[in-house]
Amino acid sequence: DTGVSQNPRHKITKRGQNVTFRCDPISEHNRLYWYRQTLGQGPEFLTYFQNEAQLEKSRLLSDRFSAERPKGSFSTLEIQRTEQGDSAMYLCASSPTRTASYGYTFGSGTRLTVV
Amino acid sequence: AQSVTQLDSQVPVFEEAPVELRCNYSSSVSVYLFWYVQYPNQGLQLLLKYLSGSTLVKGINGFEAEFNKSQTSFHLRKPSVHISDTAEYFCAVGATGGGNKLTFGTGTQLKVEL
Repeated sequence: DTGVSQNPRHKITKRGQNVTFRCDPISEHNRLYWYRQTLGQGPEFLTYFQNEAQLEKSRLLSDRFSAERPKGSFSTLEIQRTEQGDSAMYLCASSPTRTASYGYTFGSGTRLTVV
Repeated sequence: AQSVTQLDSQVPVFEEAPVELRCNYSSSVSVYLFWYVQYPNQGLQLLLKYLSGSTLVKGINGFEAEFNKSQTSFHLRKPSVHISDTAEYFCAVGATGGGNKLTFGTGTQLKVEL
């Protein structure tokens, strides 16, 4: 098991373009989370999945953002019509349990720069 | 809802000196508490966690933290820091009773100097 994997590590895109990030969680983990981290801030919750079901979305997740987790395995996060304010590190994490007691295992993140 | 306050944005310290990184939380329910470390351009790595029981929790790399319910604090300590401890440290809180997401503080940059 190689932990949580995120691709790409870095993405530079022009404003208005669409981007998609991928997260491969630890295989036996049924919970998958997406967080966004801007410079000098802590991670902010975006959304999470229990298997393939998306159970909660933050109000930070505007209608330009969509996340999927088909078949309860890997997940994708798509941002449409990117804006400069979308520039951030996007972190994926997974967890094996229903409660927060385990904590998360994080991936290394995808750093998005919108120019 | 839960919230976390990390009182210091930066903490400079000399190598081999002790350090304390402060964290206070707010919650209307019982909580789990975590400390994570983040090295540049990396994800977050779990240092330690408090779930229940003993209020003194030991983690990796010689770090420990003490849960104080009356003061709603969970301060992180290390008796002697090393250059390699230079990183960003985040305190996080999760709710018990089926809570499923962590709320993070804004982080404390620990800079260890020679």
